[in-house]
Amino acid sequence: QSALTQEASVSGTVGEKVTLSCTGNRNNIGSYGVGWYQQISHGPPKSVMFGNSLPSGIPDRFSASKSGTTASLTISGLQPEDEADYYCATWDFSLNARVFGGGTKLTVL
Amino acid sequence: EVQLLESGGGLVQPGGSLRLSCAASGFTFSNDAMTWVRQAPGKGLEYVSSITESGDITYYAESVKGRFTISRDNSKNTLYLQMNILRVEDTAKYYCVDTPRLNGHHFPANWGQGTLVTVSS
Repeated sequence: QSALTQEASVSGTVGEKVTLSCTGNRNNIGSYGVGWYQQISHGPPKSVMFGNSLPSGIPDRFSASKSGTTASLTISGLQPEDEADYYCATWDFSLNARVFGGGTKLTVL
Repeated sequence: EVQLLESGGGLVQPGGSLRLSCAASGFTFSNDAMTWVRQAPGKGLEYVSSITESGDITYYAESVKGRFTISRDNSKNTLYLQMNILRVEDTAKYYCVDTPRLNGHHFPANWGQGTLVTVSS
């Protein structure tokens, strides 16, 4: 069981806005920035968000926010190439380790 | 361009050992913390271990503590993971991840292609 909880699956149509959530506790999300990672067809993961900052090369239809112990990744104007697994991750000071969510499978209909 | 090239994976029997390496280029290696993350077949991402920029502090997932050792050689721009007493459940692709400090927090940023470790008799 993952320390961070994500939806197992989310779907949306092209052009739609979708939001993925990541729920933790005060030891992790409540205290540290959250990274978001995209993995397409079991290739290597790619970073799509560092806290609320976009890595170089990531389109600005990706955005992120955090409220208390829940972080969110929003994709506005969904594109077919956004279909992937998305993982959230952050540091946990009680575990003294990084923790990942179980991943959300995003399907673009 | 950041490049991370993992090597050292392969097939090993339970109880055996392997040493993974990650050759880094395209950035100032000694300025960034580094992380190993693994992914078992058909499963999600799992944190394994990380090391500070200078190598003086290391962290481990509970599942590998006491069996795995992370280290780095900043003169060679190389990260290592010594894996001992390997178990079937350690079977996974192992990713080397550059982990810079950004806006006050460390974030896994650039990922290598991974190296596959298979533990089986």
